[in-house]
Amino acid sequence: AQSVTQLDSQVPVFEEAPVELRCNYSSSVSVYLFWYVQYPNQGLQLLLKYLSGSTLVKGINGFEAEFNKSQTSFHLRKPSVHISDTAEYFCAVSAQTGANNLFFGTGTRLTVIP
Amino acid sequence: DADVTQTPRNRITKTGKRIMLECSQTKGHDRMYWYRQDPGLGLRLIYYSFDVKDINKGEISDGYSVSRQAQAKFSLSLESAIPNQTALYFCATSPSGGALARFFGPGTRLTVL
Repeated sequence: AQSVTQLDSQVPVFEEAPVELRCNYSSSVSVYLFWYVQYPNQGLQLLLKYLSGSTLVKGINGFEAEFNKSQTSFHLRKPSVHISDTAEYFCAVSAQTGANNLFFGTGTRLTVIP
Repeated sequence: DADVTQTPRNRITKTGKRIMLECSQTKGHDRMYWYRQDPGLGLRLIYYSFDVKDINKGEISDGYSVSRQAQAKFSLSLESAIPNQTALYFCATSPSGGALARFFGPGTRLTVL
């Protein structure tokens, strides 16, 4: 099976500053990787996904993530955050073959400070 | 209109009661899922269904059951609710094949007293 570790449970950052949310995964097979965002009182929305090809993936709202196979990481970045980015962010991993169950990390709460 | 809807959005019940949470989707996806979210634990898979005749247990299926009434409907039941089932429950869908990104409903907040 696959697993995901999100190293930071909370990340405070000032408005317009850059941010990186860390995600490491474990898997014995090739994987797909995802980042989801959950705004207060809402369900999860897909931010971006890595399937294959370029290791730098761009998503919605100015976010991007880089797949690093050697370090088994898929860190999420944004060069300049806004108040509206305050939310919880989940990294998730799925095997490329088989049942493709999606395994979620425990989440990182990003708080943007005015 | 939302693609994935869940009813009710909030529910408070007592220990021992039977509870059903319902999920409907208009995305036309074959695959449907039930997850529960607990603070600090992320999302954990309860049950999933790849089509109307296919039901599979997830990581934490004990104490839960499901019914796939149609392609668009997937219900989660707690036969005898207990307090540690207090959580936020999400329904999700995905298309068959390919990378299985999930499309989530807005969630049901369940409190078991």
